[in-house]
Amino acid sequence: EAGVAQSPRYKIIEKRQSVAFWCNPISGHATLYWYQQILGQGPKLLIQFQNNGVVDDSQLPKDRFSAERLKGVDSTLKIQPAKLEDSAVYLCASSSPHSTDTQYFGPGTRLTVL
Amino acid sequence: DQQVKQNSPSLSVQEGRISILNCDYTNSMFDYFLWYKKYPAEGPTFLISISSIKDKNEDGRFTVFLNKSAKHLSLHIVPSQPGDSAVYFCAASVYSGNTPLVFGKGTRLSVIA
Repeated sequence: EAGVAQSPRYKIIEKRQSVAFWCNPISGHATLYWYQQILGQGPKLLIQFQNNGVVDDSQLPKDRFSAERLKGVDSTLKIQPAKLEDSAVYLCASSSPHSTDTQYFGPGTRLTVL
Repeated sequence: DQQVKQNSPSLSVQEGRISILNCDYTNSMFDYFLWYKKYPAEGPTFLISISSIKDKNEDGRFTVFLNKSAKHLSLHIVPSQPGDSAVYFCAASVYSGNTPLVFGKGTRLSVIA
């Protein structure tokens, strides 16, 4: 079974530029999460999707961050414009509707904002 | 306000000995707890979990203990191996069934050969 795929793996941009990250979850996993992990911290939830609907986006900075999962499969997270404090690893995770809260993570995208 | 706390940033253990990683939580509504292992440049990998109805769960060399009254859980690795060297994250959720996880800051385990 293929795991969660993410791209790109690394991205370097200047502040005020925009950037987009892509995630393809494990096949059949209806729930998809985006987490932000700042250096030295644990992952923090940004947004949770159930199929193509948003379940929880309470911690998403909506003035600059947006995410979509139009067909209920892969998802895109966008930052526009980026700030220095957005430098972090962005992790995508997915879980099965038939499981407990075991989430399976992708390798992440490391973003550096200069 | 950190709801899941891992107070030891790092831990060094000799190969073959026991590694004990600790985690405390403040939210009494948490009832499902997980441990993830993370290697550099990789995403977190699920290791073991425990529901609040249990006080112990074992999987091979890994055992998680839960003390609900103390709001404390621990991960025991016996015997520790050099390949166990990684960052270990404790995570918790309010109820099982595809809910977001709240993570601690992680503990870096180094197993010395």
